[in-house]
Amino acid sequence: NAGVTQTPKFQVLKTGQSMTLQCAQDMNHEYMSWYRQDPGMGLRLIHYSVGAGITDQGEVPNGYNVSRSTTEDFPLRLLSAAPSQTSVYFCASSLQGAYIQYFGAGTRLSVL
Amino acid sequence: SQQGEEDPQALSIQEGENATMNCSYKTSINNLQWYRQNSGRGLVHLILIRSNEREKHSGRLRVTLDTSKKSSSLLITASRAADTASYFCATDALQGAQKLVFGQGTRLTINP
Repeated sequence: NAGVTQTPKFQVLKTGQSMTLQCAQDMNHEYMSWYRQDPGMGLRLIHYSVGAGITDQGEVPNGYNVSRSTTEDFPLRLLSAAPSQTSVYFCASSLQGAYIQYFGAGTRLSVL
Repeated sequence: SQQGEEDPQALSIQEGENATMNCSYKTSINNLQWYRQNSGRGLVHLILIRSNEREKHSGRLRVTLDTSKKSSSLLITASRAADTASYFCATDALQGAQKLVFGQGTRLTINP
């Protein structure tokens, strides 16, 4: 199993551009989440999903959209990138109701 | 908001010594987890301790939980160079498995 796969690993955007961060898992996990990690801030939850077609907001959802059309994929869309969205983004998945989360390797995003 | 506060923010010890890091949290929890993050990588789950447990062991790891003080500690015994990483605590804050709240992390450096 590949686990949780995130693409791209690195991305540089200009302010106002849009893009989609991809996340895919092959463990048949129902739950998937997106976090951002900023220096000295730990991880903060952006959006999460408890199954296909079901998503909800986390702690810092503004400026991001998600959808979950399949169990495997959970893309994160930046609608109009801002410098404040410069961060490292992590996708995670877990079994339904399980607290242990499995993380991807992350996408390092810079917005200029 | 950060549920978990970790202490110290950085710790540097000699190989073979024990490393202790602490996590404090603000609200009641069902469980608390510790994760490790190697530089440039995603988080990896280490251990989960439930609110009705006081101590748990896994290999060279020992975790304690004091719900009356809302605090936990992670002890790594006989440290190795490969233990160099950042360590994060994560709690559920009674919000369910999908809403983990992470601390800011402790950066551990093991010197040869």
